[in-house]
Amino acid sequence: AQTVTQSQPEMSVQEAETVTLSCTYDTSESDYYLFWYKQPPSRQMILVIRQEAYKQQNATENRFSVNFQKAAKSFSLKISDSQLGDAAMYFCAYDFGNEKLTFGTGTRLTIIP
Amino acid sequence: DTGVSQNPRHKITKRGQNVTFRCDPISEHNRLYWYRQTLGQGPEFLTYFQNEAQLEKSRLLSDRFSAERPKGSFSTLEIQRTEQGDSAMYLCASSLSTGVIGQPQHFGDGTRLSIL
Repeated sequence: AQTVTQSQPEMSVQEAETVTLSCTYDTSESDYYLFWYKQPPSRQMILVIRQEAYKQQNATENRFSVNFQKAAKSFSLKISDSQLGDAAMYFCAYDFGNEKLTFGTGTRLTIIP
Repeated sequence: DTGVSQNPRHKITKRGQNVTFRCDPISEHNRLYWYRQTLGQGPEFLTYFQNEAQLEKSRLLSDRFSAERPKGSFSTLEIQRTEQGDSAMYLCASSLSTGVIGQPQHFGDGTRLSIL
């Protein structure tokens, strides 16, 4: 069975600093997508970034970038220049083409002013 | 693009009652998904539709749960004879199927169900 593991229930970072959130997954598939979603308190889940397994280049979206290690089945999210608005639950998710997302348990990120 | 809309935002009901939630996807999206999220957990897949056809149901979706998407537009999720364990956030998401995997899903605000 495909599983997604986020081993950091909570993380905190000083405003303007950099933080890395970890995610590992287990799969026997060769082609799949990985996602990071952000869920602010009482607000909807928003896509932060996605990565196709076949692409070796790590995805970047402004201050957000990933470190995708396919062999290690690792997909971490780096947030640079952290801002107060980055405070949220962050979920790593996996789609191997069966039309549903498998999510991890999330990491609660706190930004310290 | 007005986003995915879910109603109601909150529902409080007594155990044993029936409840129905509605989801309006992004208008051009042909796929619609339902997830359930309990406190401290990530969302878990319940079911999904391609247009009006319900293509997959999770084992989490007991026979007390039923979902429909008439005419391939909005969707409803009904829970009959609610139980304490049904208390959760029910999330709806939609996406545009292009035949390529990995299309991003867009989520609504969710409906929070509380069973008294």
